[in-house]
Amino acid sequence: RKEVEQDPGPFNVPEGATVAFNCTYSNSASQSFFWYRQDCRKEPKLLMSVYSSGNEDGRFTAQLNRASQYISLLIRDSKLSDSATYLCVVRSGANNLFFGTGTRLTVIP
Amino acid sequence: EPEVTQTPSHQVTQMGQEVILRCVPISNHLYFYWYRQILGQKVEFLVSFYNNEISEKSEIFDDQFSVERPDGSNFTLKIRSTKLEDSAMYFCASTPGLARYEQYFGPGTRLTVT
Repeated sequence: RKEVEQDPGPFNVPEGATVAFNCTYSNSASQSFFWYRQDCRKEPKLLMSVYSSGNEDGRFTAQLNRASQYISLLIRDSKLSDSATYLCVVRSGANNLFFGTGTRLTVIP
Repeated sequence: EPEVTQTPSHQVTQMGQEVILRCVPISNHLYFYWYRQILGQKVEFLVSFYNNEISEKSEIFDDQFSVERPDGSNFTLKIRSTKLEDSAMYFCASTPGLARYEQYFGPGTRLTVT
């Protein structure tokens, strides 16, 4: 069973659209949750941490449902520069991270 | 802004050869990691390193792999006898502490084994 599962997409949306990504994780003891962004052939970069109460950073909103072991990311008013692969990431136990396969987003002019 | 650096950016080697991938973590960070990403696949944890010893390693990190912090700044990953399936992007990461601290990733080394 995969540690972290995501819909690989691709998601193709017009500029200004709202798009949502979902993720599930298998280890109920997981302690920290993140969304990373990865551009083509580049390193992952932290987009935002995900807290139990949900959190927002500008156009980005992240939600965590521990009971369902489910994490989401909502992007409002999509920009061309949002085109990337979005990685759902979970930290379990020790400090190493478990990555999902990523969801690819393309924002179309 | 401080950043993790990695060299080389691309390494081509023949099967069976040894390679050393180099990383310079952010200077005040204490925890170091190697991850790999095979083309088209997810990022996978290899090993974590703290206080000059391995903290944790994955099933991928077998006897062919080793890590070292030879001086106060470099953190290296050695693959003793490369296989075709070792071809991947290798990312180094560092963090100042555990738990809530963000892991900062380097730009990666693309390893191609022929």
